Amino acid sequence: RKEVEQDPGPFNVPEGATVAFNCTYSNSASQSFFWYRQDCRKEPKLLMSVYSSGNEDGRFTAQLNRASQYISLLIRDSKLSDSATYLCVANNNNDMRFGAGTRLTVKP
Amino acid sequence: DAGITQSPRHKVTETGTPVTLRCHQTENHRYMYWYRQDPGHGLRLIHYSYGVKDTDKGEVSDGYSVSRSKTEDFLLTLESATSSQTSVYFCAISERAQHRGELFFGEGSRLTVL
Repeated sequence: RKEVEQDPGPFNVPEGATVAFNCTYSNSASQSFFWYRQDCRKEPKLLMSVYSSGNEDGRFTAQLNRASQYISLLIRDSKLSDSATYLCVANNNNDMRFGAGTRLTVKP
Repeated sequence: DAGITQSPRHKVTETGTPVTLRCHQTENHRYMYWYRQDPGHGLRLIHYSYGVKDTDKGEVSDGYSVSRSKTEDFLLTLESATSSQTSVYFCAISERAQHRGELFFGEGSRLTVL
């Protein structure tokens, strides 16, 4: 079983839609969590960290549920430029585990 | 963008040949990492370094070795490449230990082992 599991998608949504991705992690000792974004054939880049209390960055909201061991990412008012693969990351003591990613395509 | 350069960016080689991938950074970050990315598996850590000559194994280290003789360079070597090592390899750097801060990735090196 993979340590970090994500729905691979693809999620195809129209511009302006709200879309949510979930991610589950198996290691209950995981301490820190992140979302990375990866454009097609490019390198991953940090989108946002995920804090226990939940956090927001513009149109993006990240939530953490430790009891259920899942992390979510909500994107509001989707833009064409949001089309990418979103990687969920769970870390335990400097052992970072990446999910395989969820692909999002935003259509006009 | 962080100053990370990977070379070569693309390589095709044959089974059994040695391959070395180079990662060069201009950020003077202490930590450097080698990941591989395969469909359905996400990024998996091969080896990492926490200083010159200080390295440690990651999740998928078998068949790989690394060296870091200078802060700015981190080499990944496949002593005898196998087809299962066909992958996209990403180097990453961070100023602090990866669980405390952002990883900056290079553009990737696409390796095909025939």
